[in-house]
Amino acid sequence: GDSVTQMEGPVTLSEEAFLTINCTYTATGYPSLFWYVQYPGEGLQLLLKATKADDKGSNKGFEATYRKETTSFHLEKGSVQVSDSAVYFCALASGGGADGLTFGKGTHLIIQP
Amino acid sequence: GAVVSQHPSWVICKSGTSVKIECRSLDFQATTMFWYRQFPKQSLMLMATSNEGSKATYEQGVEKDKFLINHASLTLSTLTVTSAHPEDSSFYICSAFGNNEQFFGPGTRLTVL
Repeated sequence: GDSVTQMEGPVTLSEEAFLTINCTYTATGYPSLFWYVQYPGEGLQLLLKATKADDKGSNKGFEATYRKETTSFHLEKGSVQVSDSAVYFCALASGGGADGLTFGKGTHLIIQP
Repeated sequence: GAVVSQHPSWVICKSGTSVKIECRSLDFQATTMFWYRQFPKQSLMLMATSNEGSKATYEQGVEKDKFLINHASLTLSTLTVTSAHPEDSSFYICSAFGNNEQFFGPGTRLTVL
């Protein structure tokens, strides 16, 4: 079945540091890939997505590129802020998002001033 | 973005009782809603897909008689945990599909004593 593996946390960085959160997946066919963010006390919010190979999703300074050859969708940001502290989930959908999502375990990111 | 609410946000009940959790899309109509379950330090696991006006589709290993889902309208889906036991204690999260995206509720923490 489908699965998503992402790096365990917590990840602690200083403000303005470069961020990478690794995510790899296993799926049949060509899934859509997502990054969700969960701020304390709130529901998951879609951060970015990519629906086909080599697509780059971007939002709020975050980027991730759909790499079919390495089955990866790593999340990056050039300069993190304290407000980026949250839990980040990588996810895939074999049906393009109208189906249920398969999630990774989540990575808790802590940004220190 | 669209807003999805869940009620209650937390609930404590005695073993053997039933608990109902509501999921509402507040500003859009959702023909499809999803129910997920999350254990501590684990990923969200899809339990079932709820379609308005029809029976829910359950994932493998999820007991349909234990987790009753009713999607009575385009803005409301309910999950009833019947005859709850301590092993049902978990964080339950719903999402509603609309505008080609899944919008998540803030989750409900269920503790069964």
